[in-house]
Amino acid sequence: QSVLTQPPSASGTPGQRVTISCSGSSSNIGSNTVNWYQQLPGTAPKLLIYSNNQRPSGVPDRFSGSKSGTSASLAISGLQSEDEADYYCAAWDDSLNGPLYVFGTGTKVTVL
Amino acid sequence: QVQLQESGPGLVKPSQTLSLTCTVSGGSISSGGYYWSWIRQHPGKGLEWIGYIYYSGSTYYNPSLKSRVTISVDTSKNQFSLKLSSVTAADTAVYYCARAHPTTAIDYWGQGTLVTVSS
Repeated sequence: QSVLTQPPSASGTPGQRVTISCSGSSSNIGSNTVNWYQQLPGTAPKLLIYSNNQRPSGVPDRFSGSKSGTSASLAISGLQSEDEADYYCAAWDDSLNGPLYVFGTGTKVTVL
Repeated sequence: QVQLQESGPGLVKPSQTLSLTCTVSGGSISSGGYYWSWIRQHPGKGLEWIGYIYYSGSTYYNPSLKSRVTISVDTSKNQFSLKLSSVTAADTAVYYCARAHPTTAIDYWGQGTLVTVSS
């Protein structure tokens, strides 16, 4: 039961810029930072962006994140064939029962 | 570099209890500062957070699974475990263990293990 909403798909040709949106609410994105994961087929998710716009060591600067209000977005500049994957946003949610870690519905990026 | 590895049966019969263990290397669960978590992914679907445990034993579970989930920790073995009771085919999924920072992100993941519920 995903709490954060993403478009199911996005696509672009090599070299293009692709943007993925993530919509949440005041209890998750509105109150906490947003993280992004890349999941290649058959592998575990990999942290791509944390704390809205920070890249872990080793993540190319082609990937960037931003947040505004209860929405966030991931941008991939200079799209490459190896970027074809599923992308998920995520955030802590300050629910009444305690902190939940909620994920987005996921976006499949296709490189045309 | 923290590494996590799931282990346990890949096939569980309906109504039985699913049991998985996560072994952590490259970091100590007892040093604190992180939530040790379980996440699952149904075939071809998105990610679902199951719950977490802190080194002290404090736990928090996804309300949608709370009645069936138990997460425990063995700091002497640097392991934490998941038990999911009364499983059905709907519990068939890849189960991941992971490390979560309390205010930022799940940063390290295990490779995942497929658990199939079938008679």
